[in-house]
Amino acid sequence: DTGVSQNPRHKITKRGQNVTFRCDPISEHNRLYWYRQTLGQGPEFLTYFQNEAQLEKSRLLSDRFSAERPKGSFSTLEIQRTEQGDSAMYLCASSFLRRGDLQYFGPGTRLTVT
Amino acid sequence: GENVEQHPSTLSVQEGDSAVIKCTYSDSASNYFPWYKQELGKGPQLIIDIRSNVGEKKDQRIAVTLNKTAKHFSLHITETQPEDSAVYFCAARNLYSGAGSYQLTFGKGTKLSVIP
Repeated sequence: DTGVSQNPRHKITKRGQNVTFRCDPISEHNRLYWYRQTLGQGPEFLTYFQNEAQLEKSRLLSDRFSAERPKGSFSTLEIQRTEQGDSAMYLCASSFLRRGDLQYFGPGTRLTVT
Repeated sequence: GENVEQHPSTLSVQEGDSAVIKCTYSDSASNYFPWYKQELGKGPQLIIDIRSNVGEKKDQRIAVTLNKTAKHFSLHITETQPEDSAVYFCAARNLYSGAGSYQLTFGKGTKLSVIP
């Protein structure tokens, strides 16, 4: 069990650019979640996958955000036309329904939009 | 939707003393309450959780209590050590409903400092 991994760990981009983050969940975990965390706040839910199906999206997920989990394993989160307000830590978590559905988080990707 | 309030926002204790962090939730349908510890530059780490059919759960120096009637739950850390210094988050979730049940709703966090 190697834990949830996320890449890159840090990303600095200019306003208006597109960025993509990757999350590799714990193997056998069929559920995957994306959260966003800003300074001094708790994580806020963005979206959720069960296997390859995206089942839930938060109102925080504007149309500039898109997430995929094409084969039910790793997931990507893309932000198009980044804005300064997108600067945050993007956290990925995974869980396995048959083991209590406990959510385990990765180290996060810190995005800075200049 | 669910709203979770967490207090205090900062807490300083002497090494060896106890620390208590309290959370309240608004949605009576919530039935799962995990606690996470987040160290600087790292993702949240699950340290203990409790489900609504249990009033208290303990794991070594860490315990969590739940009062469903009052809709509040607390984290208790005894014999604190410097390595307990971190930001702690409480969260709430309804495990069994449909839409909206997958997400955890977090409090704003408590920064715990254990002074040697």
